[in-house]
Amino acid sequence: DADVTQTPRNRITKTGKRIMLECSQTKGHDRMYWYRQDPGLGLRLIYYSFDVKDINKGEISDGYSVSRQAQAKFSLSLESAIPNQTALYFCATSDLQGVAVGGNTGELFFGEGSRLTVL
Amino acid sequence: AQSVTQLGSHVSVSEGALVLLRCNYSSSVPPYLFWYVQYPNQGLQLLLKYTTGATLVKGINGFEAEFKKSETSFHLTKPSAHMSDAAEYFCAVSGSGGYNKLIFGAGTRLAVHP
Repeated sequence: DADVTQTPRNRITKTGKRIMLECSQTKGHDRMYWYRQDPGLGLRLIYYSFDVKDINKGEISDGYSVSRQAQAKFSLSLESAIPNQTALYFCATSDLQGVAVGGNTGELFFGEGSRLTVL
Repeated sequence: AQSVTQLGSHVSVSEGALVLLRCNYSSSVPPYLFWYVQYPNQGLQLLLKYTTGATLVKGINGFEAEFKKSETSFHLTKPSAHMSDAAEYFCAVSGSGGYNKLIFGAGTRLAVHP
């Protein structure tokens, strides 16, 4: 079984619908992230969480919300989906390995992605 | 603020040829640099990373990268391409503040032909 599991893997929905993407991990990591991948733009950070009580906005959080239900679970919601939210979404985790001032040395572990299409 | 520029969105090489994927970064603090690979229909996995110390970093599958501060570069190379290397490659730099907020480049898709 994958260490970082995302559900659903594929979803087609209509404009205005509420969508939730779920992520669960068995790596025991405290830190979890949601990224969005668009062709030609790489990955952009939507939200991140360093523990159950810590939620932070990333660079493109507008139109999204998150919930950290437990250490192992981090869900991403689109309250009212719009077509330009069509993208591939990735959940990732990391631990505190090598955190240092001014940067980090930790590795991100990614799920296999959730492809969302908003019509 | 950090940023990453990957030169060339698509690179095509012959099997057995040298692979060179270019990455330049901008950072106001000493950077930590990463290369990730994404195979079709999969998530990203770490190829290699530079933090401190030796500037030539070796990763998995025969890849390596060299950190050149004077050129603000972290190019990825492999002496001999294999068909299984076909994938998308992302360069990333760590964000400020001591957290795992990676800033990714736009990616380079590598095609390997016989």
